[in-house]
Amino acid sequence: KAGVTQTPRYLIKTRGQQVTLSCSPISGHRSVSWYQQTPGQGLQFLFEYFSETQRNKGNFPGRFSGRQFSNSRSEMNVSTLELGDSAFYLCASSLGLKPSSGGSKETQYFGPGTRLLVL
Amino acid sequence: AQSVAQPEDQVNVAEGNPLTVKCTYSVSGNPYLFWYVQYPNRGLQFLLKYITGDNLVKGSYGFEAEFNKSQTSFHLKKPSALVSDSALYFCAVRDEVTGGGNKLTFGTGTQLKVEL
Repeated sequence: KAGVTQTPRYLIKTRGQQVTLSCSPISGHRSVSWYQQTPGQGLQFLFEYFSETQRNKGNFPGRFSGRQFSNSRSEMNVSTLELGDSAFYLCASSLGLKPSSGGSKETQYFGPGTRLLVL
Repeated sequence: AQSVAQPEDQVNVAEGNPLTVKCTYSVSGNPYLFWYVQYPNRGLQFLLKYITGDNLVKGSYGFEAEFNKSQTSFHLKKPSALVSDSALYFCAVRDEVTGGGNKLTFGTGTQLKVEL
């Protein structure tokens, strides 16, 4: 089975621009979660999408948004980029089961990440 | 809220020696704990998880972790370290989210350096 894929792998943008990152989950996985990794803040949860709906959201400004398509592929968008948005963005996929169905025991599998540099 | 703590920023160990990377947790319900490893400029690779049952969990690449409820710890161990084990290790706990869903809270990471 193919793993989680993310595109692009590297990206350079300037302040004020917007960016869109893409994540394709493992086949059959319906949940896609996004995380931001920075040296100062570590790994932080951005949001999760399941069945084309945002199911959970972290503490990030509204400039960070996402969506999920019917094939479970997900995109993350950051508008009006700031220097502080420079980070490693990771997505993770899982089946997305409810806790009553064993969802709490699921493993999230991560993609290779996208390195974003904002100048 | 759930949280995990990794008290050591870096752990140094000689190749062939046993290694331990420490993690303590704080949860309000059942603990669902995970270990991931990250190599430079790569995503996170899953190593192992504790859900319930045996306190000694075996995972990938010869790693194992010991769950200790009384000490609220979930330390990662390996009997004999390899230079190729040198990487950044993260402990994580699944958050209890109303309505279900996936949200992991990660520790700050521990850099493991295995020297010849």
